[in-house]
Amino acid sequence: KNQVEQSPQSLIILEGKNCTLQCNYTVSPFSNLRWYKQDTGRGPVSLTIMTFSENTKSNGRYTATLDADTKQSSLHITASQLSDSASYICVVSPPRGGKLIFGQGTELSVKP
Amino acid sequence: DGGITQSPKYLFRKEGQNVTLSCEQNLNHDAMYWYRQDPGQGLRLIYYSQIVNDFQKGDIAEGYSVSREKKESFPLTVTSAQKNPTAFYLCASSETGRYYEQYFGPGTRLTVT
Repeated sequence: KNQVEQSPQSLIILEGKNCTLQCNYTVSPFSNLRWYKQDTGRGPVSLTIMTFSENTKSNGRYTATLDADTKQSSLHITASQLSDSASYICVVSPPRGGKLIFGQGTELSVKP
Repeated sequence: DGGITQSPKYLFRKEGQNVTLSCEQNLNHDAMYWYRQDPGQGLRLIYYSQIVNDFQKGDIAEGYSVSREKKESFPLTVTSAQKNPTAFYLCASSETGRYYEQYFGPGTRLTVT
């Protein structure tokens, strides 16, 4: 079983709407949890990073939350834009700098 | 994509041929990584290097080889022994340490027929 599971696998929303992507993990504790955005055919780019003790982190219209009790993180996108169409990847960094653990990603499509 | 370049962006090869993917970084990072990305799967680590002239196997190293002769360069060779080489390959680099962030290159899409 993957240690980082993301849902939904894909999502289609209308421009201007909000959406929330989910990440469930079993790695605990961890050094940090990141959300990456990956445009089609490009490399991932970091959106947010949270340490184990943080609850929320924002980057413009992107807000990531972390619930260490339920081992869940979410990425909320506000007022979506067409340029938000991409894959969003949840990544957990184990303690002591071990290998990163990647979720399989959520494919978001924003339609006009 | 930061200061990491990968070339070429698209690569086509015949089955049975070895092929080398280039990765260069100007971020002065000590660590470099190669990942493979397939549809519907998370990134999988092929090889990584934390210092020049040293590298370690990742989770799926079979059929791949690397070298790290210079700090800024970490080429990946996909050999004919790799059973299913068609994929999107991503190179990344980072500083070493507990809270490092990996910066990714733009990727190379390899198609083997």
